[in-house]
Amino acid sequence: DAGVIQSPRHEVTEMGQEVTLRCKPISGHNSLFWYRQTMMRGLELLIYFNNNVPIDDSGMPEDRFSAKMPNASFSTLKIQPSEPRDSAVYFCASSPGTDSGGYTFGSGTRLTVV
Amino acid sequence: GESVGLHLPTLSVQEGDNSIINCAYSNSASDYFIWYKQESGKGPQFIIDIRSNMDKRQGQRVTVLLNKTVKHLSLQIAATQPGDSAVYFCAENFAGGYNKLIFGAGTRLAVHP
Repeated sequence: DAGVIQSPRHEVTEMGQEVTLRCKPISGHNSLFWYRQTMMRGLELLIYFNNNVPIDDSGMPEDRFSAKMPNASFSTLKIQPSEPRDSAVYFCASSPGTDSGGYTFGSGTRLTVV
Repeated sequence: GESVGLHLPTLSVQEGDNSIINCAYSNSASDYFIWYKQESGKGPQFIIDIRSNMDKRQGQRVTVLLNKTVKHLSLQIAATQPGDSAVYFCAENFAGGYNKLIFGAGTRLAVHP
């Protein structure tokens, strides 16, 4: 298995632009998680899905952030409009969804908003 | 950009020594714990896990200890190698049906030859 695949690896965008981050979880995993990592706040859970259904989005910072999972093999995290304080590394992770086994993380997307 | 950074605690050890990384978790109801290793430019990587009905679990060169009384978790790395240099995170799973891992702040391990 290729693991959790995220794209793009790096994204530089201007303030106010829309940004879309993409994630392909491991086949067969039915839980998917979006995390944001910054020096200030560490790893923060933004939202997670189980069987493509959003379970908890309490970590989403504000309405500018939205996430979708249209099918079991794809998820997006969208920021519209983007702001410089959104600059961070965004990780996607998936897990089997049972109560055992850790998450497998992707390599992350480094977002820079200028 | 960010002008103030989070200062991670750093553990410096000599190659070949044993390392102990500690973590305090927040929720007494958490029932599953994981240690992750994150190298520069990479995502966190699973190391070892432990359930709340256990006190100790061993892997290859790593041991996790769980003290539920004081909500404390530790990771022991035997014969630390330069390749062990990374940031280590503990994560706790909030009980309740779905895996929802909450991560600690992390500890940087620096291994010196």
